[in-house]
Amino acid sequence: GAVVSQHPSRVICKSGTSVKIECRSLDFQATTMFWYRQFPKQSLMLMATSNEGSKATYEQGVEKDKFLINHASLTLSTLTVTSAHPEDSSFYICSVPPRSRVSYNEQFFGPGTRLTVL
Amino acid sequence: KQEVTQIPAALSVPEGENLVLNCSFTDSAIYNLQWFRQDPGKGLTSLLLIQSSQREQTSGRLNASLDKSSGRSTLYIAASQPGDSATYLCAVLNTDKLIFGTGTRLQVFP
Repeated sequence: GAVVSQHPSRVICKSGTSVKIECRSLDFQATTMFWYRQFPKQSLMLMATSNEGSKATYEQGVEKDKFLINHASLTLSTLTVTSAHPEDSSFYICSVPPRSRVSYNEQFFGPGTRLTVL
Repeated sequence: KQEVTQIPAALSVPEGENLVLNCSFTDSAIYNLQWFRQDPGKGLTSLLLIQSSQREQTSGRLNASLDKSSGRSTLYIAASQPGDSATYLCAVLNTDKLIFGTGTRLQVFP
């Protein structure tokens, strides 16, 4: 399977600061990446679709000004949580569908980033 | 709107038992269905992927079936082991979005 990395794996920050999370596709190019959020003991919820060279597409209820997404290259997407608050504490996971796969046949997931806002 | 539900929410069994985890979805217009495993505090490990045209997939002790018309999938785990303890998630692919189920927390005790 494809290799997807995330950095950092864990971050603790004070309320009001901004946190950047990186998602890298290590062995193939990806024009699209997906960002998910998982609250404790809940399932994954899609937050947004990151598109290389264009604006991200956000799911209903997700604030685009709070969760800034940049997909600057075919191997890197970043999610910045701006002015983080304790309610933003969650597990953030990215996924990548390889360009060679038709209709996003399969997605490969990063290891996730645990964000704790104090 | 696609909704994915998993039953049971939690399961605790002794080692060696054969298990069936259930996944149901409301919209049968899916491209595929995936089963994942998630260990506590960790990311996802893909277990099996079933295309919409397929009925089942097998990998080792795992067998997943798909009945698209009835909106159901099952994950069968044979001869369960303590190392199988984890949360199991199913997810369906609708257009370009992967919709996850609520998960089943499995504990296999020695």
